[in-house]
Amino acid sequence: DTAVSQTPKYLVTQMGNDKSIKCEQNLGHDTMYWYKQDSKKFLKIMFSYNNKELIINETVPNRFSPKSPDKAHLNLHINSLELGDSAVYFCASSQVQGTGGETQYFGPGTRLLVL
Amino acid sequence: KQEVTQIPAALSVPEGENLVLNCSFTDSAIYNLQWFRQDPGKGLTSLLLIQSSQREQTSGRLNASLDKSSGRSTLYIAASQPGDSATYLCAFQGGSEKLVFGKGTKLTVNP
Repeated sequence: DTAVSQTPKYLVTQMGNDKSIKCEQNLGHDTMYWYKQDSKKFLKIMFSYNNKELIINETVPNRFSPKSPDKAHLNLHINSLELGDSAVYFCASSQVQGTGGETQYFGPGTRLLVL
Repeated sequence: KQEVTQIPAALSVPEGENLVLNCSFTDSAIYNLQWFRQDPGKGLTSLLLIQSSQREQTSGRLNASLDKSSGRSTLYIAASQPGDSATYLCAFQGGSEKLVFGKGTKLTVNP
């Protein structure tokens, strides 16, 4: 059973296109995240949602729009794709309890290549 | 702005050796410190999480320590095996839920 799943696994597209990446978690967690890992393997947070509400937005261009239809899903829509958007995008989830002991569980990643 | 630094960037050791990976962070207001493993082309697997009130955590051959006063964490791997070869990422969690990652240490264990 996959705890955090993402689709598609690979995405190759042309500059200027609009694309979406989907994420689902079956862990019953309240909080979900999107991270971007660039070509230098540096992993950085983009967004975080708690119970369908946006709680973290790390000054990501507004071409990126996350959408959370319910707390088990957090999708990422990207408009007008640019070459610099090529990266691996990871979805994650956690159950925030306020104790400091909440591990984040990561999906397998979506490898986006913009040509 | 929180920064997380991992040293060394890459490490190659013979099988069976004990090794230490280092992580340092600049913000003392720590919530927890997490160590992850990333295999090539794969996602992240959580290895150990140390809460701010704890000093260390152990899982099998892995032991992670946390020293808040010096802003450091170490991941100790005992009796390394070729299957331990991967990139190890340290992540700091402060007041918000977001994780701030280091750039990782790429470990190669040679048979």
